[in-house]
Amino acid sequence: DTGVSQDPRHKITKRGQNVTFRCDPISEHNRLYWYRQTLGQGPEFLTYFQNEAQLEKSRLLSDRFSAERPKGSFSTLEIQRTEQGDSAMYLCASSLSGGRGYNEQFFGPGTRLTVL
Amino acid sequence: SQQGEEDPQALSIQEGENATMNCSYKTSINNLQWYRQNSGRGLVHLILIRSNEREKHSGRLRVTLDTSKKSSSLLITASRAADTASYFCANGPGAQKLVFGQGTRLTINP
Repeated sequence: DTGVSQDPRHKITKRGQNVTFRCDPISEHNRLYWYRQTLGQGPEFLTYFQNEAQLEKSRLLSDRFSAERPKGSFSTLEIQRTEQGDSAMYLCASSLSGGRGYNEQFFGPGTRLTVL
Repeated sequence: SQQGEEDPQALSIQEGENATMNCSYKTSINNLQWYRQNSGRGLVHLILIRSNEREKHSGRLRVTLDTSKKSSSLLITASRAADTASYFCANGPGAQKLVFGQGTRLTINP
């Protein structure tokens, strides 16, 4: 399967614990995005990378959240001191930057986080 | 919030009927995209329409865009049970992040 993969698919944790999610984009894609989706809502942008550079972060990304893409390939999203409000589906997407000013983003299956 | 809104929030029709969903957005756009999300699965890109286009077709899908009204519509013709899903519009104010609406939950009844 050459699509975007995410690991784990499900994570249950206790409040106050740290969690880390991994995203492997489509191999030739240089852009990688993280979104968060709560029940009944559309995805909300968190942050994106072009190669290894983190170019934009949403206000939703509090200081408890950190994302990395150290070698410009896979990315990790860490949440420290989790809160119940962090419970959501975390989606990763990737795209290939082009000169047309638009990009089709390909999404992974998501990691569903439940904070007890 | 920059998020737009889909209308209706939920739609239930009989198999074979056409389904129309509308999307409004708030900011200027570079393009507008429609995605489908099945229960428990990721988002799948359906179609993209650029800001200088007014209508686009792909198979049973027809998308229109009215930038003066900041609105778009998605028409699915001859619906099938497999079309049951949530549908989201997403606008790309630039070439980077997407801003999604809240989605329309479509149910196709056999």
